[in-house]
Amino acid sequence: SQQGEEDPQALSIQEGENATMNCSYKTSINNLQWYRQNSGRGLVHLILIRSNEREKHSGRLRVTLDTSKKSSSLLITASRAADTASYFCATVLTGNQFYFGTGTSLTVIP
Amino acid sequence: DAGVIQSPRHEVTEMGQEVTLRCKPISGHDYLFWYRQTMMRGLELLIYFNNNVPIDDSGMPEDRFSAKMPNASFSTLKIQPSEPRDSAVYFCASSFRGMNTEAFFGQGTRLTVV
Repeated sequence: SQQGEEDPQALSIQEGENATMNCSYKTSINNLQWYRQNSGRGLVHLILIRSNEREKHSGRLRVTLDTSKKSSSLLITASRAADTASYFCATVLTGNQFYFGTGTSLTVIP
Repeated sequence: DAGVIQSPRHEVTEMGQEVTLRCKPISGHDYLFWYRQTMMRGLELLIYFNNNVPIDDSGMPEDRFSAKMPNASFSTLKIQPSEPRDSAVYFCASSFRGMNTEAFFGQGTRLTVV
């Protein structure tokens, strides 16, 4: 499968703690995107990192990309109960193929 | 803009019936994607259009599935005849300039085939 694989599958933390989730993929990518999905809702784009970038920030989100290891991580700092959701990485391969990973289910306990 | 609009939000149908899912993309977006989400298979790209033209339909599971985009503001995904294994949440998404920019998703249509 060309899909990214998120790790861990599920994560439960206390409010205020940091949450880190990882994504590994198999082939060269054009870019990698992270999305959030609240229960019963559509996906919401969080951040896009291109293959020539190593790190990006957006508010409390920090994404890193290591193309040599074919992996990315999403860090959410100072988590809030509202961050409870599933998080997906999506890899865009050369040739415009686009694959979502299996997702990490994050629960932030108030 | 109201975002990507999908209808209906929920659909329950009997096996063998025709099902039509509808999508209105964000105005100005030139790419439209149809995805299916299930617990077993996760999110799967079924088909995508660029400027109303189907570009890649390799994800369409079988001939029972068809998709059209008659104009820039409307697309349909049709299943005929429907089967219980088609039960899933179907998402439509649109973007400007394809997969190298963010995609905006609709709320999805939850399809149940009994």
